[in-house]
Amino acid sequence: DQQVKQNSPSLSVQEGRISILNCDYTNSMFDYFLWYKKYPAEGPTFLISISSIKDKNEDGRFTVFLNKSAKHLSLHIVPSQPGDSAVYFCAASVRAGGTSYGKLTFGQGTILTVHP
Amino acid sequence: GAVVSQHPSWVICKSGTSVKIECRSLDFQATTMFWYRQFPKQSLMLMATSNEGSKATYEQGVEKDKFLINHASLTLSTLTVTSAHPEDSSFYICSARRGAGSPLHFGNGTRLTVT
Repeated sequence: DQQVKQNSPSLSVQEGRISILNCDYTNSMFDYFLWYKKYPAEGPTFLISISSIKDKNEDGRFTVFLNKSAKHLSLHIVPSQPGDSAVYFCAASVRAGGTSYGKLTFGQGTILTVHP
Repeated sequence: GAVVSQHPSWVICKSGTSVKIECRSLDFQATTMFWYRQFPKQSLMLMATSNEGSKATYEQGVEKDKFLINHASLTLSTLTVTSAHPEDSSFYICSARRGAGSPLHFGNGTRLTVT
């Protein structure tokens, strides 16, 4: 049962344009969402997160939007740069505590390629 | 800079041998660390939660006798793959939280190849 889904395995974008990466989840208990960037043979690097009490969080070129009713989140990168080319994972967790605290459930990842 | 260090970055071993992977939190103490595994073109899957001073908590389907976890100190957790088989070949990644409310930070992972 894939609780976090990234339905687009890849995305190709021109440099300077906007990259939009999408993620859907099914578990209504999730209340904390994160995006990670990963290069081959390296561990994921944290990019940005959002709590379920918000619908938007912005950090420089990266903005994450959360639509709780649709159980959908997206990552916008503006403007996209060739160095952004990597695999992007969305992840979700139950932040409220208990034994689930800290456990992240990851999506399958989306390969982003930004062309010069 | 890196907040979680993992060693080795890659290892090749023969079938039937054991391999130990170390995960260290740099300049902070981590009472809890998490071990993930990623197969090619698949998502990262949580294997187990490593707890300092107590037994690890394993996810469903993960053999605790095969994947031994020891959280010996507040900055070190080790994962030992015992009697490794080719199907254990994977990318193993550990993670830790710097403090309450902060996101998980990941090590650079260990590529294990069992021949």
